[in-house]
Amino acid sequence: AQKVTQAQTEISVVEKEDVTLDCVYETRDTTYYLFWYKQPPSGELVFLIRRNSFDEQNEISGRYSWNFQKSTSSFNFTITASQVVDSAVYFCALIQYQGGKLIFGQGTELSVKP
Amino acid sequence: EAGVTQFPSHSVIEKGQTVTLRCDPISGHDNLYWYRRVMGKEIKFLLHFVKESKQDESGMPNNRFLAERTGGTYSTLKVQPAELEDSGVYFCASSQDRPGTGYYNEQFFGPGTRLTVL
Repeated sequence: AQKVTQAQTEISVVEKEDVTLDCVYETRDTTYYLFWYKQPPSGELVFLIRRNSFDEQNEISGRYSWNFQKSTSSFNFTITASQVVDSAVYFCALIQYQGGKLIFGQGTELSVKP
Repeated sequence: EAGVTQFPSHSVIEKGQTVTLRCDPISGHDNLYWYRRVMGKEIKFLLHFVKESKQDESGMPNNRFLAERTGGTYSTLKVQPAELEDSGVYFCASSQDRPGTGYYNEQFFGPGTRLTVL
């Protein structure tokens, strides 16, 4: 069965701290896609990154970085030097090879305090 | 380019009433998805249209939910009659995937419709 688990329900940090959001997934497919979305207080889901299962290279985009490890079925997301504007709910999600639907984790609510 | 739009943004109805949610995808996107997040839980898939055809409706909770996509453009999701457990945020998303190829682009989400059933 396919499943995405975000074990951290809520995380609270102080501005400028680094924070890592964990994501563990389960799928029988060898080809799949992993995503991270951000949901700020305004409510819309904002796409952050897509990674396919054949590309295990880590990615960095500004203060954001992603660590994809197939050996542990994890796709973790790190925010370096967090800012108050990073406060949001972050969702990790999976698409299997034959499906188009996103399978979401439960979401991690990140609160960055000044 | 306009993003995905949803109407209404909020709806409060009484149990037993009917509500219709509307989604306008990004122009040119053949794929349209409906998702729902019930309070505090994960976002769950409801169904997927490719143009006007239902590709996957495995997530529809029961026959009180009816989705249509007229002419492959906008989509409506009707709940009739609404029950208390239908309360939540309903998201619509669109993408320009290539179904069957195993290649999937990111899905662009609308702001959601918050439905409250009293």
